[in-house]
Amino acid sequence: QKEVEQNSGPLSVPEGAIASLNCTYSDRGSQSFFWYRQYSGKSPELIMSIYSNGDKEDGRFTAQLNKASQYVSLLIRDSQPSDSATYLCAASGGSYIPTFGRGTSLIVHP
Amino acid sequence: EAGVTQFPSHSVIEKGQTVTLRCDPISGHDNLYWYRRVMGKEIKFLLHFVKESKQDESGMPNNRFLAERTGGTYSTLKVQPAELEDSGVYFCASSQGELGPQHFGDGTRLSIL
Repeated sequence: QKEVEQNSGPLSVPEGAIASLNCTYSDRGSQSFFWYRQYSGKSPELIMSIYSNGDKEDGRFTAQLNKASQYVSLLIRDSQPSDSATYLCAASGGSYIPTFGRGTSLIVHP
Repeated sequence: EAGVTQFPSHSVIEKGQTVTLRCDPISGHDNLYWYRRVMGKEIKFLLHFVKESKQDESGMPNNRFLAERTGGTYSTLKVQPAELEDSGVYFCASSQGELGPQHFGDGTRLSIL
């Protein structure tokens, strides 16, 4: 059974701080990793994908992957209230079908 | 460019009734996926179309669920007869290629009473 685990939160951070979201996965064959952002009642939106060990930066977002530890994280720098949402971690292996975690709720307060 | 659209946004039906959900993918996207999120659980894969063909339906829970994609354009997901445990949010996603990013619709919230 492939699983992706996330702390449901909520994670509460002040505006301007760094938000750190974490995820672990069980399938060592996973090759592709994704972070989706989902506002309440809206569609999951892909914000980051990462395929190799290390860091990948895109604007205020940095994804980090450690395959040895089966660990993926997402850092959001200079957090804004508009970043408040549920963040879904997903992993896929040989198949392109992602396995999702339950998501972490992030609250950025002014 | 229009995104993935799903209809209806909400549906409330009684146990034993039939419901049909519709998904219109992004134009030109051959790959269409259905997912379901039951309350408190993670989003789970149901099935995948490439054009009009079912590529993978390993996630379909049972034979009360029937998905079609006639002509390789929009897709429907029918639940007949609906049971209480079918309640949840049904998402559709589409992508240009199998490895391409999947774009999700806003989902259909299905409530079975």
